[in-house]
Amino acid sequence: AQSVTQPDIHITVSEGASLELRCNYSYGATPYLFWYVQSPGQGLQLLLKYFSGDTLVQGIKGFEAEFKRSQSSFNLRKPSVHWSDAAEYFCAVVQGKAAGNKLTFGGGTRVLVKP
Amino acid sequence: AAGVIQSPRHLIKEKRETATLKCYPIPRHDTVYWYQQGPGQDPQFLISFYEKMQSDKGSIPDRFSAQQFSDYHSELNMSSLELGDSALYFCASSPGSGTGGGTQYFGPGTRLLVL
Repeated sequence: AQSVTQPDIHITVSEGASLELRCNYSYGATPYLFWYVQSPGQGLQLLLKYFSGDTLVQGIKGFEAEFKRSQSSFNLRKPSVHWSDAAEYFCAVVQGKAAGNKLTFGGGTRVLVKP
Repeated sequence: AAGVIQSPRHLIKEKRETATLKCYPIPRHDTVYWYQQGPGQDPQFLISFYEKMQSDKGSIPDRFSAQQFSDYHSELNMSSLELGDSALYFCASSPGSGTGGGTQYFGPGTRLLVL
């Protein structure tokens, strides 16, 4: 069964500093990978996705992620964090692009931004 | 751009009552997913529908049922509610195929509180 691990439960970063969130997956083939962000009490917003091709993908809000097959990782990065980036971030994987296939989420990483 | 609409946004029920949650997908999306997110948890997949047929099924209790209608909206029916059903319920939609297939866009969620 596929699984997703986000090793860091909480990360605190100063405003303007860089941010990297780790994500590792366990899956037999190349999965389709996603990062979502959730503000408190809100829905999940898609930041970016990787299906194939260039392993460095750009997303919204200045985020990017790099797929590394050899490390089974899909880490999320942002060069300079803004206070509005404080939220919970979920890495997720889906088995193929077929309609109806479920997303499997990691446990999430809560990001706190210090002034 | 139009997003996924969920209603109601908040719902308070007593134990053993029933609840119906509604989801209206993004226009031209034919696939709907339901997820449950408990406090401090990652979203857990319940069930999905593609072209009005059940596509995938997760850890959905037998007390819950769902369907997708001809206009592609979906309803999640929950009976004999238990305290443990208190959670945030998300609906997501995706295009069934094409380059966007597999990318799920989430609604704002319905917060259910069972007393």
